[in-house]
Amino acid sequence: DIQMTQSPSTLSASVGARVTITCRASKSVTAWVAWWQQKPGKAPNLLIYDASTLEPGVPSRFSGSGSGTEFTLTISRLQPDDSATYYCQQYDSDWTFGQGTKVEIK
Amino acid sequence: EVQLVESGGGLIHPGGSLKLSCAASGFNVIDNYMRWVRQAPGKGLEWVSLIFRGGDTYYADSVKGRFTISRDSSKNMVYLQMNRLRAEDTAVYYCARDRYCRDGSCIPSDFWGQGTLVTVSS
Repeated sequence: DIQMTQSPSTLSASVGARVTITCRASKSVTAWVAWWQQKPGKAPNLLIYDASTLEPGVPSRFSGSGSGTEFTLTISRLQPDDSATYYCQQYDSDWTFGQGTKVEIK
Repeated sequence: EVQLVESGGGLIHPGGSLKLSCAASGFNVIDNYMRWVRQAPGKGLEWVSLIFRGGDTYYADSVKGRFTISRDSSKNMVYLQMNRLRAEDTAVYYCARDRYCRDGSCIPSDFWGQGTLVTVSS
């Protein structure tokens, strides 16, 4: 199974800050990576797929990059509504998710 | 409008069985790749099972031999029959529609249900 390792596990930043979450795959997954946002008690919402394609309706402050084994999710200007847990996911071979990054607003 | 609504969760004793249902609207389940994903309380996400458009089925190793995914085109429903349940199967179970599958990779979509909670406990 392909493992996805996210860092950091939690982060706290101010409104307007630039935030970066990193995900490392245990083997190359080319660009078969998605990023999800989940708020308490809700289903996850897809932000990005194919490593860098923004899901329609997702604000442009979210962006994704990477290929092979290293991927990043960037929030360019953090907003209060961005307080959530973020998961990376590979779909090169089955589906596996990272352990999550909890983003808090200072 | 595309919508997925899960039902059938509840409290079940270890070793018991439960059948989850996913009612789809706005599209035909038989023309799509449908899957179940679960999330244990306070934990991350885990893929459980997938049914291809052609009917082929796939399972995570953790549920293989105990869970069965199926669909009913006349009712536009997807099901997850769960047998020999264990405490570690306790989770919210989500039904989801994949964007498409290609060369062995299934691209996710944002079409997920709201989830149904399964609690396995004595």
